Amino acid sequence: ETGVTQSPTHLIKTRGQQVTLRCSSQSGHNTVSWYQQALGQGPQFIFQYYREEENGRGNFPPRFSGLQFPNYSSELNVNALELDDSALYLCASSLYGSTNSPLHFGNGTRLTVT
Amino acid sequence: AQSVTQLDSQVPVFEEAPVELRCNYSSSVSVYLFWYVQYPNQGLQLLLKYLSGSTLVKGINGFEAEFNKSQTSFHLRKPSVHISDTAEYFCAIVSGTYKYIFGTGTRLKVLA
Repeated sequence: ETGVTQSPTHLIKTRGQQVTLRCSSQSGHNTVSWYQQALGQGPQFIFQYYREEENGRGNFPPRFSGLQFPNYSSELNVNALELDDSALYLCASSLYGSTNSPLHFGNGTRLTVT
Repeated sequence: AQSVTQLDSQVPVFEEAPVELRCNYSSSVSVYLFWYVQYPNQGLQLLLKYLSGSTLVKGINGFEAEFNKSQTSFHLRKPSVHISDTAEYFCAIVSGTYKYIFGTGTRLKVLA
């Protein structure tokens, strides 16, 4: 069973730049969710993708966008980076509609915006 | 609005002692409840989950949690902790199919 993998592990960007984070879901899962975890905080829901469409969104501005591909992998794009975007970005996969399929997380991408 | 409160930000405990990490939630609809553990520089790993049925749920690494609907709590316990249990623990709820709401976490520090 292949787990959730994220790339890159670390990234440093400058304010105003754009960034793309990548995620491969666990085998057998068809849904990908993205979470932002600021230092000392719990993860905050950004959005979820199912069937290559956004299936739900948290309280994040439109400059946070995503994609899901036919192989269920996903990208998170953030435009016009701000200093407060510095955080650990976690990708999690699951099986849509199955209560017995909780989130399975990757190890995250640590984004630092300077 | 739904919310999760973890009452203790840090819990120090000596090795082989018991521990309880507290979690309370607020929701106007039924929810499923989870505990996740996060080791340094890693993602979150599922410890246990409550979906329905018996209110006492057993998870991995000897942890268990009890769902109390009247007190809207889901406290995590372990009768004897090890140094390797040092980590951050997150309580979470979900209703519907997607939006998990996490607490702010409790840092468990096991002392030798």
